[in-house]
Amino acid sequence: QSALTQPPSASGSPGQSVTISCTGTSSNVGGYNYVSWYQQHPGKVPKVMIYEVSKRPSGVPDRFSGSKSGNTASLTVSGLQAEDEADYYCGSYAVGNYWVFGGGTKLTVL
Amino acid sequence: EVQLVESGGGLIQPGGSLRLSCAASGFAFSSNWMHWVRQAPGKGLVWVSRINSDGSDTTYADAVKGRFTISRDNAKNTLYLQINSLRAEDTALYYCAKGEVAGEFRYWGQGTLITVSS
Repeated sequence: QSALTQPPSASGSPGQSVTISCTGTSSNVGGYNYVSWYQQHPGKVPKVMIYEVSKRPSGVPDRFSGSKSGNTASLTVSGLQAEDEADYYCGSYAVGNYWVFGGGTKLTVL
Repeated sequence: EVQLVESGGGLIQPGGSLRLSCAASGFAFSSNWMHWVRQAPGKGLVWVSRINSDGSDTTYADAVKGRFTISRDNAKNTLYLQINSLRAEDTALYYCAKGEVAGEFRYWGQGTLITVSS
């Protein structure tokens, strides 16, 4: 049950794109299409931005997109805006009815 | 509207016990898996435990196995987490979350804070 691996930080200027990676194993990210991404602003509850690798819940801007290749999932934020500055966590279902999160990535909009 | 309201947190000495509750409304509680997720101050999200819809099957993170017990009362639309042998590293904000078919957590409570300190 090791945490998924995310870079601790990422940054980009307004209007640019940034991609955050999330690396797991064949027992979680690589074995299932149940990868989700969460945005958390300071002092707030996490909000799901992507589920099932690449699907967006209603109300999430299409600037947010997700993908997966092998054991690594990715979240891309295009057209960065100031309000995108937050912590981002990936999460995945894992074999045996377990779940696991990544350590989180702090996204800074320069 | 889905609502999840946690309660039961507080300041507790090492070795102590607590029972957290999560009152659910706005959805068919008895048909949904439920989870507990925790977040230590300034740290990331950590999945803690999950229970299936009728309470017959549970899973736990290794860090809490044997000390934490998840349960539910579908008649009361309430999820519980019994926490025993508390340690300093259990200090965190504990969220309950509604499980979705595709494994994501769309609905979270506001969390209840446990502080383990002597």
